[in-house]
Amino acid sequence: GAVVSQHPSWVICKSGTSVKIECRSLDFQATTMFWYRQFPKQSLMLMATSNEGSKATYEQGVEKDKFLINHASLTLSTLTVTSAHPEDSSFYICSATGQSSYNSPLHFGNGTRLTVT
Amino acid sequence: GDSVTQMEGPVTLSEEAFLTINCTYTATGYPSLFWYVQYPGEGLQLLLKATKADDKGSNKGFEATYRKETTSFHLEKGSVQVSDSAVYFCALVGSSNTGKLIFGQGTTLQVKP
Repeated sequence: GAVVSQHPSWVICKSGTSVKIECRSLDFQATTMFWYRQFPKQSLMLMATSNEGSKATYEQGVEKDKFLINHASLTLSTLTVTSAHPEDSSFYICSATGQSSYNSPLHFGNGTRLTVT
Repeated sequence: GDSVTQMEGPVTLSEEAFLTINCTYTATGYPSLFWYVQYPGEGLQLLLKATKADDKGSNKGFEATYRKETTSFHLEKGSVQVSDSAVYFCALVGSSNTGKLIFGQGTTLQVKP
């Protein structure tokens, strides 16, 4: 079946540095990718929606200058956490879909656990 | 706006017990409904889905029926196993939001041998 690969699976970085997380669709063209954030013992919060070749649409309250999203190709989207701080420590998950229907299947990556020290 | 509400956990059951995790939703139109499962340290996996009223989604012994009259999509399994221990998320995609999932808060299930 369709697979979404997310890399890295975990990363530890120092406060003030930037971290890039990649999300790749391995066997389909992902026209739309979604980035979610999950706090411990809480649900997933949608951060932004990105369509290939256009700017990402951010949810209310998400800082677009802090969480840079690039979706330059139909198989790759990246999330860069800029000038990371300990409060950015979280589990980040991407999902991708290759269709534009509300009934389209979504495929999730395995997530990236970010720890900022 | 659209929202999903799940029963609070954790839910602790003995092996072979019957499981119900309640899920209700608020949405305009006719959303699609999903249950996702997250095993420890892993990403989300689609467990089952239903796209219209009275549809029943089923997979791995789990099932859920889309009830529009009660705006519910409760997850059930007749006999749980230790390997079912995970976090279960109810979610919807609204009819006007392409692929954008709205998640419930998640329910942790712990099955003891």
